[in-house]
Amino acid sequence: VQLLESGGGLVQPGGSLRLSCAASGFPFTNFDMTWVRQAPGEGLEWVSSFTGRSRRTYYAESVKGRFTISRDDSKSTLYLQMSSLRVEDTALYYCARDSGVYEYWGQGTLVIVSS
Amino acid sequence: DIQMTQSPSSLSASVGDRVTITCRSSQSISSYLNWYYQKPGRAPNLLIFGGSTLSSGVPSRFSASGSGTEFTLTITSLQPEDFASYYCQQNYDRPYTFGQGTKLEI
Repeated sequence: VQLLESGGGLVQPGGSLRLSCAASGFPFTNFDMTWVRQAPGEGLEWVSSFTGRSRRTYYAESVKGRFTISRDDSKSTLYLQMSSLRVEDTALYYCARDSGVYEYWGQGTLVIVSS
Repeated sequence: DIQMTQSPSSLSASVGDRVTITCRSSQSISSYLNWYYQKPGRAPNLLIFGGSTLSSGVPSRFSASGSGTEFTLTITSLQPEDFASYYCQQNYDRPYTFGQGTKLEI
């Protein structure tokens, strides 16, 4: 199992960014997928999840209305479209395979929101 | 959402010590409780799932127990590689929330 995030970078407040998580080594369609973030020096914060079979999406209150999670099962890729970014969105963003248990994680992609 | 509260938030210990970390949930979550550890600069690693089942490769000095709303993670005979941050996470009901973490320091 491999999860490889990309798309992070430096963006100004109010800007947008799209993160990707390329998955391999398992049947992507069958699994829920989740984004978790970690601000510098802080703990883990669940951000968003997309279930595989029921195709339901879930968002933390802190990102609801600003972030959109999606997935392309044909490409085994999970996305996180982030808009109206705030300074407090600065964090390392991880994707994780979600079977209720986050057994596999990517290495993370860093998002810095700063003017 | 289910709130998860860990204590203590930080803990100082020595190699060879026994330490216990507590995690409490705002409502009963049966045994749907997982533990992760994280070293600085690294992604989290699954330590224990289902309240008390060790993940593959986790040493037997780690153990966990609890059900309902109160859970504990115990590390006996601390080793240098155990000094890290530990997080509990409930998977009883979405969103699967984390505790705020416990930093275990030398």
